[in-house]
Amino acid sequence: EADIYQTPRYLVIGTGKKITLECSQTMGHDKMYWYQQDPGMELHLIHYSYGVNSTEKGDLSSESTVSRIRTEHFPLTLESARPSHTSQYLCASVPTGYYNEQFFGPGTRLTVL
Amino acid sequence: AQSVSQHNHHVILSEAASLELGCNYSYGGTVNLFWYVQYPGQHLQLLLKYFSGDPLVKGIKGFEAEFIKSKFSFNLRKPSVQWSDTAEYFCAVNSNDYKLSFGAGTTVTVRA
Repeated sequence: EADIYQTPRYLVIGTGKKITLECSQTMGHDKMYWYQQDPGMELHLIHYSYGVNSTEKGDLSSESTVSRIRTEHFPLTLESARPSHTSQYLCASVPTGYYNEQFFGPGTRLTVL
Repeated sequence: AQSVSQHNHHVILSEAASLELGCNYSYGGTVNLFWYVQYPGQHLQLLLKYFSGDPLVKGIKGFEAEFIKSKFSFNLRKPSVQWSDTAEYFCAVNSNDYKLSFGAGTTVTVRA
């Protein structure tokens, strides 16, 4: 079992603010992912990373950016939040040797007013 | 990306009833298949997975799923549900890369 940590769990902010959603795991997993999920909808992959200094955009276009400077840390940043960014953001990772079995964090529910 | 279709948006049933949730995917090649579950207030967690071999796979909490390649399906079943099975269930598919495509999810409500 993997422990994936996400902070904050809930965030309510005003339009135009810069925010960073944190995701970390202490198991040394090389692959990490960010998903966006709206109620009643599928999870959409917005970013992923296969290791340090590796980041790629996912299938759903997103105005957010990510970085992977350390193996355990995969933060997601919105430079200027808008109401359209209101959603739940889920972070996941895959342990080395676990082909595609993704372990998920608790999520961050973001509301932009 | 793959297309994953879950047939039921919301299923309501009584305890001890049987459950079957449908999942179909679009890719015709080699796939890895997953069912994830999200209990109220909890993380998404893996229920079961299929990579190869026996197309009938068993997961946690009495769930099983059958991979039918000719029908591009991976349906989830449980013979007798409990109130604690109330959750949202997601089917996910992977093919040839390290990314998963998810279905829209099925909310299952079990009445005591």
